[in-house]
Amino acid sequence: NAGVMQNPRHLVRRRGQEARLRCSPMKGHSHVYWYRQLPEEGLKFMVYLQKENIIDESGMPKERFSAEFPKEGPSILRIQQVVRGDSAAYFCASSRRQGSGYTEAFFGQGTRLTVV
Amino acid sequence: GESVGLHLPTLSVQEGDNSIINCAYSNSASDYFIWYKQESGKGPQFIIDIRSNMDKRQGQRVTVLLNKTVKHLSLQIAATQPGDSAVYFCAENINEKLTFGTGTRLTIIP
Repeated sequence: NAGVMQNPRHLVRRRGQEARLRCSPMKGHSHVYWYRQLPEEGLKFMVYLQKENIIDESGMPKERFSAEFPKEGPSILRIQQVVRGDSAAYFCASSRRQGSGYTEAFFGQGTRLTVV
Repeated sequence: GESVGLHLPTLSVQEGDNSIINCAYSNSASDYFIWYKQESGKGPQFIIDIRSNMDKRQGQRVTVLLNKTVKHLSLQIAATQPGDSAVYFCAENINEKLTFGTGTRLTIIP
């Protein structure tokens, strides 16, 4: 059973370009979370999605950032018109609904975005 | 700001000794907590979790203690090994959203 797969592992974009980060959850997982991490800092929640639904996007910047989790295919985090401040590691986690409501989330290896 | 914080940003422990990493949280509604280990260049790795109706849970070489009265969480690692060197995060789960603290870097002294 493959873990959470993120690609690409490293992404370099020039200022003003678009960055697309992909996350394939673990098999059987229908919940996806995106987090952002700056060097030597913790993980900041961005968005929580279920298939075809955004459940909580309270951590997403209002502009330039969007996320989707279609019925088929991976979850996509899109950053338009990237700026140097977008440089960070972006982690995806997935989980499945459990009867108790508690969900153990597993993380991918992250995508390291560098804006030059 | 973050509702989950850590008392110490760095911790150095002699190999073979026990390690204790602390975490404070502020949201009384938090009902589920997870400890993660993150090695350099990798994603966070699940270590152990605990629900709010428990005050202790043990795994292999790790124990998590939860004190809801003072909103405090700790991770104990027995017989610390070089492979335990990493940054450790506690996270609280509210409505299926994980909120992370800043992290504690654990360094093992040979």
